[in-house]
Amino acid sequence: RKEVEQDPGPFNVPEGATVAFNCTYSNSASQSFFWYRQDCRKEPKLLMSVYSSGNEDGRFTAQLNRASQYISLLIRDSKLSDSATYLCAVNVGYSTLTFGKGTMLLVSP
Amino acid sequence: DTGVSQDPRHKITKRGQNVTFRCDPISEHNRLYWYRQTLGQGPEFLTYFQNEAQLEKSRLLSDRFSAERPKGSFSTLEIQRTEQGDSAMYLCASSIGPEQGSFEKLFFGSGTQLSVL
Repeated sequence: RKEVEQDPGPFNVPEGATVAFNCTYSNSASQSFFWYRQDCRKEPKLLMSVYSSGNEDGRFTAQLNRASQYISLLIRDSKLSDSATYLCAVNVGYSTLTFGKGTMLLVSP
Repeated sequence: DTGVSQDPRHKITKRGQNVTFRCDPISEHNRLYWYRQTLGQGPEFLTYFQNEAQLEKSRLLSDRFSAERPKGSFSTLEIQRTEQGDSAMYLCASSIGPEQGSFEKLFFGSGTQLSVL
């Protein structure tokens, strides 16, 4: 089993839709979780951290399920500008971040 | 521009040649990371430094790869005797140290796209 797994997609949704991605991780000792956004041919950019209690930033909600070892990202009211690849990243202790392959989102008019 | 900068943006080289990339991290960040990314994959960790000390290296980092951060500021990544399989985007990232808080929040540079012909 890979350390961090994501459905590569693409997820094709119309503007205004709600879409959710999951990311599973294999190491139960993982402590920190993040979602990064990567536009085509650009560098990844931190979207949000994922806290145990769940957290929300505008239209974006991130949640952590430790029992089932996955994190999720919910995007409400999708915009054309949300089209990108969403990478989840996981950290164990003081080690480095391990990234998933990313999930591609395409929002159409 | 106070972000992470990488140079060059693009590098085309012939198989067998040596290449060197440079990364300038955000000035107050004492951690610096190198990742590699190929099409359809997420970034894969190569190595990282805390100040000038190289603390971890991935199994992906063959002996043809070497990284330095001599004064704890900028870093260089050298690939010797390049192979076609080395073609990838090489991403540098920086973060604050663990004693300063949330060190896992990485800030990436724009990357160096390497093409080995």
